[in-house]
Amino acid sequence: DAGITQSPRHKVTETGTPVTLRCHQTENHRYMYWYRQDPGHGLRLIHYSYGVKDTDKGEVSDGYSVSRSKTEDFLLTLESATSSQTSVYFCAIRTGGNQPQHFGDGTRLSIL
Amino acid sequence: SQQGEEDPQALSIQEGENATMNCSYKTSINNLQWYRQNSGRGLVHLILIRSNEREKHSGRLRVTLDTSKKSSSLLITASRAADTASYFCATDAGGGSNYKLTFGKGTLLTVNP
Repeated sequence: DAGITQSPRHKVTETGTPVTLRCHQTENHRYMYWYRQDPGHGLRLIHYSYGVKDTDKGEVSDGYSVSRSKTEDFLLTLESATSSQTSVYFCAIRTGGNQPQHFGDGTRLSIL
Repeated sequence: SQQGEEDPQALSIQEGENATMNCSYKTSINNLQWYRQNSGRGLVHLILIRSNEREKHSGRLRVTLDTSKKSSSLLITASRAADTASYFCATDAGGGSNYKLTFGKGTLLTVNP
């Protein structure tokens, strides 16, 4: 167990509302990642962080922002949610060189 | 863009048979990783194979890597109904890319009892 907790696990909200997803780790790892998973697309990287206040964009970053004010928390924000952002969101951490990523259980987000 | 592409997209076999899934990628890698995902759950790491390795085993899993062909295969021997899941390959380009993984779209494996 890599000690990753995502919250909330499920959320239904309306178009235009702001949404923040939280990823919390207990093991002080430097690298954290946010992915979305959609049918037919596999996992796609949204944003990632390589340290406190150090973040960068991934493949599908439009409409998303992130923040990392402390090592253990990585927040993903949808400033104004759209229906195209309905997806399952996964957070992952990387534990070290030539080591795999470890994933949380995901957040299922529905935007109506 | 997808780096890894799994083949086949779906595979249905009987319990006890072997299952082979293939992954092709496009650019240089530091390592290649295989993950499993049960329905409604997160991804679980299976095997990581480094670019200088050709084969790796873990229990009933065997992974091969051919960097000249930019391809990898995952073999599950003596499959069980509990192996039913989606399997993903992911490529890691190393520290220069901040260890980002690029995933394929996955192979859905169904093992029939």
